[in-house]
Amino acid sequence: DTEVTQTPKHLVMGMTNKKSLKCEQHMGHRAMYWYKQKAKKPPELMFVYSYEKLSINESVPSRFSPECPNSSLLNLHLHALQPEDSALYLCASRPTWRDTEAFFGQGTRLTVV
Amino acid sequence: DAKTTQPPSMDCAEGRAANLPCNHSTISGNEYVYWYRQIHSQGPQYIIHGLKNNETNEMASLIITEDRKSSTLILPHATLRDTAVYYCIAISNFGNEKLTFGTGTRLTIIP
Repeated sequence: DTEVTQTPKHLVMGMTNKKSLKCEQHMGHRAMYWYKQKAKKPPELMFVYSYEKLSINESVPSRFSPECPNSSLLNLHLHALQPEDSALYLCASRPTWRDTEAFFGQGTRLTVV
Repeated sequence: DAKTTQPPSMDCAEGRAANLPCNHSTISGNEYVYWYRQIHSQGPQYIIHGLKNNETNEMASLIITEDRKSSTLILPHATLRDTAVYYCIAISNFGNEKLTFGTGTRLTIIP
């Protein structure tokens, strides 16, 4: 299994809602990433987890709250988002111990209304 | 991670070789050059990577200059399905390092 699975594929939420994005991989990768991508822009790194611990936070607003409950699962909890947070949210995973590629999910298309 | 510089856009005729350049003049000795591509609204897809030797796989070839300050991705026989944004990234082989995307090259294959 060489897939990174993201759910849901699409999400519409109001500014007062609380929602979560989910990312799952079963490749034994111990580094996992969250990215935000706006239209016609490159993916922008948000968070990096290494061995289930947050290792990099790229000064992301606290309305985005990541969580890595186990080595296969990565969540992104959303609360009080703004319309400008509408974007494609991508998850990726990568081994920590050798030179190999990162695997990306197909993303969650988030619309904040 | 070393900064990479790519041309913003390129065109290539279908069936011809597409050569995409990348400059990474500040690359350090333990950083690999990775290439990914992203087809509209999909997740980025890995293409190829290398450290200092040229590499080839079923998708592409990667040519890295001897001083490692630049590289070229070659798609030998471009098809319409190769239309995408191509990203060149320099990253060390420690998996928890930042995987940071530059602006990439938007490659359009012309029929």
